[in-house]
Amino acid sequence: QVHLVESGGGVVQPGGSLRLSCAASGFTFSRFGMHWVRQAPDKGPEWLTFIENHGGVQYYADSVKGRFIVSRDNSKSTLYLQMYSLRPEDTAVYYCATWNRSGSSALYYYYIDVWGKGTTVTVSS
Amino acid sequence: EIVLTQSPGTLSLSPGERASLSCRASQSVSSDFLTWYQQRPGQAPRLLIYGAARRATGIPDRFSGSGSGTDFALTISRLEPEDFAVYFCLHNGGSLWTFGQGTKVEI
Repeated sequence: QVHLVESGGGVVQPGGSLRLSCAASGFTFSRFGMHWVRQAPDKGPEWLTFIENHGGVQYYADSVKGRFIVSRDNSKSTLYLQMYSLRPEDTAVYYCATWNRSGSSALYYYYIDVWGKGTTVTVSS
Repeated sequence: EIVLTQSPGTLSLSPGERASLSCRASQSVSSDFLTWYQQRPGQAPRLLIYGAARRATGIPDRFSGSGSGTDFALTISRLEPEDFAVYFCLHNGGSLWTFGQGTKVEI
């Protein structure tokens, strides 16, 4: 059973830094791309970043490009999100999620699949 | 950048009724890359539908997805008490993923 547990959230001052972790279990972590998604209070989810299974390719939303860095350690089955220059608008619950696929070689469907329970980041002075 | 607009913002219905949710894209997108999620209060989103019309594992058949081009829909044929939640659509643009703002289905 796929299990994702985020950690590292907390209260940080504007301009500060924080590193989030996502511990994965129940599947072969190194075979799957991973996402970070956040959700501000009473708002819809906002996609932040994707990293492919071996870490060689990353994509970022414009809102975090240049401030956030995604990485992974497949030997530890752990995903990371290093956040710099944090702003009040970065306040949210941060989720990690798996990138999965279904289908056959003729046609694969890709989708964000299993999510963790999230960790809360509050940026406030 | 593709924008997904969901409507209505809130849907007030009773158990047993049919719910029809809309997700409209700002430009034509492949249905292969359209996904729906359910989010109950205090929980993470849960995958319902991928490829616009394919139910994820374990999702009851009262949930169905349809659509193509710019117009997509999620239908819940007969609402169960546990279906009262917020529903989001998501588009995978290859290197950019975009969520709709959500539709709340309330009693």
